[in-house]
Amino acid sequence: DAGVIQSPRHEVTEMGQEVTLRCKPISGHNSLFWYRQTMMRGLELLIYFNNNVPIDDSGMPEDRFSAKMPNASFSTLKIQPSEPRDSAVYFCASTPGLAGGLTPISSYNEQFFGPGTRLTVL
Amino acid sequence: KNQVEQSPQSLIILEGKNCTLQCNYTVSPFSNLRWYKQDTGRGPVSLTIMTFSENTKSNGRYTATLDADTKQSSLHITASQLSDSASYICVVSAGGYNKLIFGAGTRLAVHP
Repeated sequence: DAGVIQSPRHEVTEMGQEVTLRCKPISGHNSLFWYRQTMMRGLELLIYFNNNVPIDDSGMPEDRFSAKMPNASFSTLKIQPSEPRDSAVYFCASTPGLAGGLTPISSYNEQFFGPGTRLTVL
Repeated sequence: KNQVEQSPQSLIILEGKNCTLQCNYTVSPFSNLRWYKQDTGRGPVSLTIMTFSENTKSNGRYTATLDADTKQSSLHITASQLSDSASYICVVSAGGYNKLIFGAGTRLAVHP
């Protein structure tokens, strides 16, 4: 398996532009997570899905951020309009099922991370 | 307040030496605790996952311990290698609140 695939790997855009980040989870995984990592704030969970349904989006910083998972093999994270403070590395992760827990968060399953998308907003 | 604190912030050791990284948490209710290794420019990779009933878990030269009473965890690296140079992140799952609480990480540098 190729693992979690993210695209693009690097994105440079200007303030005000729309940015779309893409993720393909590992085949057969039921849960998908979007994270953001910065030097100042470290890793932050933005939103996660279980069986394509958004479960918790309380980590999404503002209404400018939105995420979708139209099917089991694809998810997008969109920022519109983008701002310089959105500059960060965005990771997608997936996990198989809910073994040992009632939710993807409490699940005992390992999360597999993608390589990340480094976003720079000028 | 749910918090995860890691220490030290950074560490330099010589190749072949052992080291121990610390993670203290105040997360409640506790669901599980994870240690991740993150190489520069790459996504985190899971090392161990522990529930409250597990005291020790090993993954090769990495051994994690958990004391649910004192809410402390440690990650011990034995016979360090240059490839161990990375950031190590402790993450605690607050099951009842369905949240992940992240530590700031420990940056480890292994020198020859």
